[in-house]
Amino acid sequence: GENVEQHPSTLSVQEGDSAVIKCTYSDSASNYFPWYKQELGKRPQLIIDIRSNVGEKKDQRIAVTLNKTAKHFSLHITETQPEDSAVYFCASDYTGRRALTFGSGTRLQVQP
Amino acid sequence: NAGVTQTPKFQVLKTGQSMTLQCAQDMNHNSMYWYRQDPGMGLRLIYYSASEGTTDKGEVPNGYNVSRLNKREFSLRLESAAPSQTSVYFCATSMEGRGEQYFGPGTRLTVT
Repeated sequence: GENVEQHPSTLSVQEGDSAVIKCTYSDSASNYFPWYKQELGKRPQLIIDIRSNVGEKKDQRIAVTLNKTAKHFSLHITETQPEDSAVYFCASDYTGRRALTFGSGTRLQVQP
Repeated sequence: NAGVTQTPKFQVLKTGQSMTLQCAQDMNHNSMYWYRQDPGMGLRLIYYSASEGTTDKGEVPNGYNVSRLNKREFSLRLESAAPSQTSVYFCATSMEGRGEQYFGPGTRLTVT
């Protein structure tokens, strides 16, 4: 089945610094790569996604980059703020199943 | 417009008891999913239903059964609960199987 690996598992940054989270996937036919943010005690919510026909997508302070050749994609958060503190999950679609496969999550802590 | 709803929010079971978790959506989505979330393990797919009338196993189906009652409702049943099933359970929906997913608020289940 599809395997999605996510690193690091925890990340601590100072407010205003940038944060980068990386994921690799195994199914070369995958073409949809979303990122979800989950605040403590809440449900995961989509923050940005990318499809394989583009290499980068930005939305204000967050961006996602995709390298299909290397089968990895990354989330970039610039000018981090304390409200960015949460667990972030990457995911990819999997051609063997009409569903997403999720990474194990990254706990981001932004220190004021 | 409630989106995705789950009942109950919390449940405590004794080993061997059974229960059904309910999920309903008013988004007119075709696909519905059940995940469990354990600390440090991310979101693991239990079962999914790509469309009304179909259900398929995910990564961790053992000990669970599902029913896609109609387009709106997808239930998850634990026939004989075990402590290893202590977890937070999320229902999710998407318009199509490999696209953006919307999550319910979750059910926190403890099996003693």
